[in-house]
Amino acid sequence: SQQGEEDPQALSIQEGENATMNCSYKTSINNLQWYRQNSGRGLVHLILIRSNEREKHSGRLRVTLDTSKKSSSLLITASRAADTASYFCATDATGNTGKLIFGQGTTLQVKP
Amino acid sequence: GAGVSQSPSNKVTEKGKDVELRCDPISGHTALYWYRQSLGQGLEFLIYFQGNSAPDKSGLPSDRFSAERTGGSVSTLTIQRTQQEDSAVYLCASSSAGTGVYEQYFGPGTRLTVT
Repeated sequence: SQQGEEDPQALSIQEGENATMNCSYKTSINNLQWYRQNSGRGLVHLILIRSNEREKHSGRLRVTLDTSKKSSSLLITASRAADTASYFCATDATGNTGKLIFGQGTTLQVKP
Repeated sequence: GAGVSQSPSNKVTEKGKDVELRCDPISGHTALYWYRQSLGQGLEFLIYFQGNSAPDKSGLPSDRFSAERTGGSVSTLTIQRTQQEDSAVYLCASSSAGTGVYEQYFGPGTRLTVT
């Protein structure tokens, strides 16, 4: 079963706009990670936020984590056509040892 | 350096046949994971190896699925008597620690089609 649920399932924006994707999860976690998957390719790790962190930045990416609401958001600023991909959140539940539980993903299309 | 590699990249097999999927993790990574990605099911955890510890097999969907990791490096996922519902992309990942908070590095996957 999937731990995370993401919304929206699909998002279409113009190049230069910001894209926000949300993820909710059910159990306590050690950390939450975001991955990107281009069509037909493997997953690429984007950013990891630990359970005691509230916000993290990496380049054009900003991730927030609210453990009280069991939710996270991924913001991509100034989007580019190359950002077109599927984005997945994944949680490493407390007590587990690296086994990731993935959300269903958000498909992002950035139109040039 | 080299990333995680998987072979074959595509596999078409007839229902009832056995298949073996291979994963070469990043050198030095002690943890290795198998996931399955199929339409309607998203990404599912299958099995996890960490060093010499007993693997976590909690995600294997049936006893037709098994995996081994030889010498702490290469892993093989075996599916016996394949069924059409086994059709999916099988992804392997490795990380440098199993009990830390390290990110996982994924291979390109093996697309399995059972006809």
